[in-house]
Amino acid sequence: DAGVIQSPRHEVTEMGQEVTLRCKPISGHDYLFWYRQTMMRGLELLIYFNNNVPIDDSGMPEDRFSAKMPNASFSTLKIQPSEPRDSAVYFCASRGDADTQYFGPGTRLTVL
Amino acid sequence: GEDVEQSLFLSVREGDSSVINCTYTDSSSTYLYWYKQEPGAGLQLLTYIFSNMDMKQDQRLTVLLNKKDKHLSLRIADTQTGDSAIYFCAESYNTDKLIFGTGTRLQVFP
Repeated sequence: DAGVIQSPRHEVTEMGQEVTLRCKPISGHDYLFWYRQTMMRGLELLIYFNNNVPIDDSGMPEDRFSAKMPNASFSTLKIQPSEPRDSAVYFCASRGDADTQYFGPGTRLTVL
Repeated sequence: GEDVEQSLFLSVREGDSSVINCTYTDSSSTYLYWYKQEPGAGLQLLTYIFSNMDMKQDQRLTVLLNKKDKHLSLRIADTQTGDSAIYFCAESYNTDKLIFGTGTRLQVFP
């Protein structure tokens, strides 16, 4: 298996623009997690899905953030409008029957 | 609430053993994990231990769990420069979520 795939790997945008991050989980995994990593706050869970349904979005920082999972093989995390403080590395992870989460390589977002 | 703590830095000489420590607060944790993050990369699962175990060994890695003290450690034998990375401890909480520590940056010098 190719593992968790994220795109783009790097994104540079200007404040106020919409940003869409994409994730393809490992085939057969029914859990998908979105994390954000910064130097100041470490690794934060933003939202997670089970069988394409959002289970817990309490980590989503503001209404500017939204996530969708239209099918078992694709999820998006959208920031609209983006702000400089959203600059971070965003990770997607997926999990199957076992408790182990497998992480993607991350998307490094820079908002100018 | 649940919390996982780690020291921020560890520096060791190549060939020595490294011991990375972690404390957690949730006594109902089912699994405890160690992840490794190399620069510019995602988190890679190294090993995990079930909460009813005291020790798990996997090649150069030894995980020790002290449930009474809520203390988890990762020992890397014969540490190599390729082991330089950030190591995260994590506990499973309510099965679905993982609570991560702050990460310990391991630097291996020749």
